[in-house]
Amino acid sequence: LAKTTQPISMDSYEGQEVNITCSHNNIATNDYITWYQQFPSQGPRFIIQGYKTKVTNEVASLFIPADRKSSTLSLPRVSLSDTAVYYCLVQSPDNQGGKLIFGQGTELSVKP
Amino acid sequence: SAVISQKPSRDICQRGTSLTIQCQVDSQVTMMFWYRQQPGQSLTLIATANQGSEATYESGFVIDKFPISRPNLTFSTLTVSNLSPEDSSIYLCSVEHFNNRLKQFFGPGTRLTVL
Repeated sequence: LAKTTQPISMDSYEGQEVNITCSHNNIATNDYITWYQQFPSQGPRFIIQGYKTKVTNEVASLFIPADRKSSTLSLPRVSLSDTAVYYCLVQSPDNQGGKLIFGQGTELSVKP
Repeated sequence: SAVISQKPSRDICQRGTSLTIQCQVDSQVTMMFWYRQQPGQSLTLIATANQGSEATYESGFVIDKFPISRPNLTFSTLTVSNLSPEDSSIYLCSVEHFNNRLKQFFGPGTRLTVL
């Protein structure tokens, strides 16, 4: 399993764009990159998933460079409600039977 | 998306007792997962529960301590046995998206405090 490294914490202000970068140097060919969000006292929630280049949905964008050794989750114009822990996961749908292996996550604090 | 409920949402238990946590899903799913989240920590997978077969446990977790039942495709239980204060954690169940194994839906969690 590819190990992921993220900043432990980040601070931002309302209305700013936040970019959280995850390093996964040992990513394998079949691996996908997935991000989850967890609010206090709740279970994690799927945000976005990608394999290469750029993926965008109504919540976030995910940028993956050509070598796929890192990825960046971009949250546009954050609000106070985006304060949460964000987890980057690298998984292969073929090998782990769907198991998710969570790293330490990034605790994002959005201030007014 | 799947809607998952867990019971109880929280409990306080005495050392040496057991707690059984229920996980109910609003649709039939093949695989269910149980995670533990210790205070201030990330999630750790305890086991994978398939209907009709024994649960598969991750390294460091054993059936005697964390027995799991999976009687049908919408329900599972996790029991945390012989409780000690170190078992104080949040326990979460999750299920896979029906066509994306790497997209999971999580329950709200059960907060266990052991005195």
